[in-house]
Amino acid sequence: EAGVAQSPRYKIIEKRQSVAFWCNPISGHATLYWYQQILGQGPKLLIQFQNNGVVDDSQLPKDRFSAERLKGVDSTLKIQPAKLEDSAVYLCASSLPQAPSEQYFGPGTRLTVT
Amino acid sequence: TQLLEQSPQFLSIQEGENLTVYCNSSSVFSSLQWYRQEPGEGPVLLVTVVTGGEVKKLKRLTFQFGDARKDSSLHITAAQPGDTGLYLCAGDVSDYKLSFGAGTTVTVRA
Repeated sequence: EAGVAQSPRYKIIEKRQSVAFWCNPISGHATLYWYQQILGQGPKLLIQFQNNGVVDDSQLPKDRFSAERLKGVDSTLKIQPAKLEDSAVYLCASSLPQAPSEQYFGPGTRLTVT
Repeated sequence: TQLLEQSPQFLSIQEGENLTVYCNSSSVFSSLQWYRQEPGEGPVLLVTVVTGGEVKKLKRLTFQFGDARKDSSLHITAAQPGDTGLYLCAGDVSDYKLSFGAGTTVTVRA
């Protein structure tokens, strides 16, 4: 069974530029999560989707971050404009509806904002 | 402020030694998960504990959930270099939202 796929793996941009990350969850996993992991910290939930609907986006900085999951499968997370403090690893995870606490993570995208 | 406090923050031991890492909170969780994260990779789920006082064993790893479901520990027996990584605990908060601790970085020297 294929795992959660993410791309790109690394991205370096200048502040005020925009960037987008892509995630393809495990087949059949209706729930998809985007996390931000700053160096030395645990992952922090940014947004949670159930199929193509948003369940929780309370921690998403909506003035600069946006996310979508149009067909209930792949998802895109965008940052525009980026700030220095956005430098982090962005992790995508997915889970089955009947086991939402057991999340499977992709390898992440390491973003560096200079 | 972290909902889950993990200790120690760093741990470096020799191959063959035992180690224990802790995960504590003032909140009660319906379940708690332990993950291991290697450099450049995402966290990998090791175990889920759901019952207060529960003990689960996974080869050389022993996980315990506190009686009050507020804390947990992970014990590794005869650690090997392959056990090196960041160990994260995560607890269910409302609506199956996970809150992660900051993690314990474990280094096992050959």
